[in-house]
Amino acid sequence: ETGVTQTPRHLVMGMTNKKSLKCEQHLGHNAMYWYKQSAKKPLELMFVYSLEERVENNSVPSRFSPECPNSSHLFLHLHTLQPEDSALYLCASSQVSGSGANVLTFGAGSRLTVL
Amino acid sequence: GQNIDQPTEMTATEGAIVQINCTYQTSGFNGLFWYQQHAGEAPTFLSYNVLDGLEEKGRFSSFLSRSKGYSYLLLKELQMKDSASYLCAVFDSNYQLIWGAGTKLIIKP
Repeated sequence: ETGVTQTPRHLVMGMTNKKSLKCEQHLGHNAMYWYKQSAKKPLELMFVYSLEERVENNSVPSRFSPECPNSSHLFLHLHTLQPEDSALYLCASSQVSGSGANVLTFGAGSRLTVL
Repeated sequence: GQNIDQPTEMTATEGAIVQINCTYQTSGFNGLFWYQQHAGEAPTFLSYNVLDGLEEKGRFSSFLSRSKGYSYLLLKELQMKDSASYLCAVFDSNYQLIWGAGTKLIIKP
């Protein structure tokens, strides 16, 4: 496996379910990200982990809970979601250096539908 | 507030040239990215501009004018496989990445 892998690719869940999205990066990067992508809207940054510590949480509802057990794995735990949470959830990784600007490598995303 | 504008959708003909514009209003500037995203796939990196001017990479070129808050992505010799969404993103003064909503490019034979 190379790059950034996300599972599952598609997920349908009810509002009372609990599910998790998984992301794995094989690039040796030191930062991982969760983004939400909705149709015709800009990418929304949800969470950032740098060196396995969460550094940003852009006021995301608590029904989304991230977990980063090591530098290669990232999870997004989902609990009592709303229909408006239906979207494509993208995971990305990057190598953050002192200069700040860095290229993100994305996974193909998990398409979530909340019924 | 911070904002990036790009056209929602464009149509072009196979073999032709197309220019996708991106204008930005951000608090500071530390570089501009273009990504390509085919339907159902991951966004992939195309280009990064931090200085004014044109960067050429094969059939794709990206231009930046910092004084005008403007960039464009130029695609030459269009192929059907270039049908995709093109995302513009800017690093602001805090190295926060600000994204546009993307431009869906449709290539017709």
